[in-house]
Amino acid sequence: AQSVTQLDSHVSVSEGTPVLLRCNYSSSYSPSLFWYVQHPNKGLQLLLKYTSAATLVKGINGFEAEFKKSETSFHLTKPSAHMSDAAEYFCVVRGSGTYKYIFGTGTRLKVLA
Amino acid sequence: EPEVTQTPSHQVTQMGQEVILRCVPISNHLYFYWYRQILGQKVEFLVSFYNNEISEKSEIFDDQFSVERPDGSNFTLKIRSTKLEDSAMYFCASSEALRLLINEQFFGPGTRLTVL
Repeated sequence: AQSVTQLDSHVSVSEGTPVLLRCNYSSSYSPSLFWYVQHPNKGLQLLLKYTSAATLVKGINGFEAEFKKSETSFHLTKPSAHMSDAAEYFCVVRGSGTYKYIFGTGTRLKVLA
Repeated sequence: EPEVTQTPSHQVTQMGQEVILRCVPISNHLYFYWYRQILGQKVEFLVSFYNNEISEKSEIFDDQFSVERPDGSNFTLKIRSTKLEDSAMYFCASSEALRLLINEQFFGPGTRLTVL
């Protein structure tokens, strides 16, 4: 069965410093992977998705993620954090043979001035 | 930019009462979903809906739950007799018909259901 593990429930960074949000997946086949962001009182917004076309995926707002099959990882990074990046981030894998999403537990990113 | 909308944003109800959560998916989308997130827990899949029928449901989606697309725009989740443990944020999502390998789901802002 597919699953994702987000290794950090909370991450704090200073504004202007790099962001790293970690995600490991478990899948018996080539997975479909996504990162979503949720700002307070807002819906879940897609940041980026892994389509198997390229291992380095670029998303919105300067975020990117690298699919590493050997490490079963799909970590989310950004070179320089902005105050507006403070939110909850979810790593998601699509279930095998289905459309349903399987969510990680989420990582709350705090950006310090 | 088209978006999924949900009403109400917050619903408070008494245990045992019926509630209907409403969603308006993106207009050209054909697949619809409900997820829920109990406070402090993961977002969990409840049900997917296509061509006016349930295509998949989780073990959470028992006989107390039902979904409906009563007209061409709304997609509803009904809980027949609410329990305290139904208190959660409920997210609606929609996606286009499958043309590509990846099926990107677009989520609404959620309805927070509080059962007293």
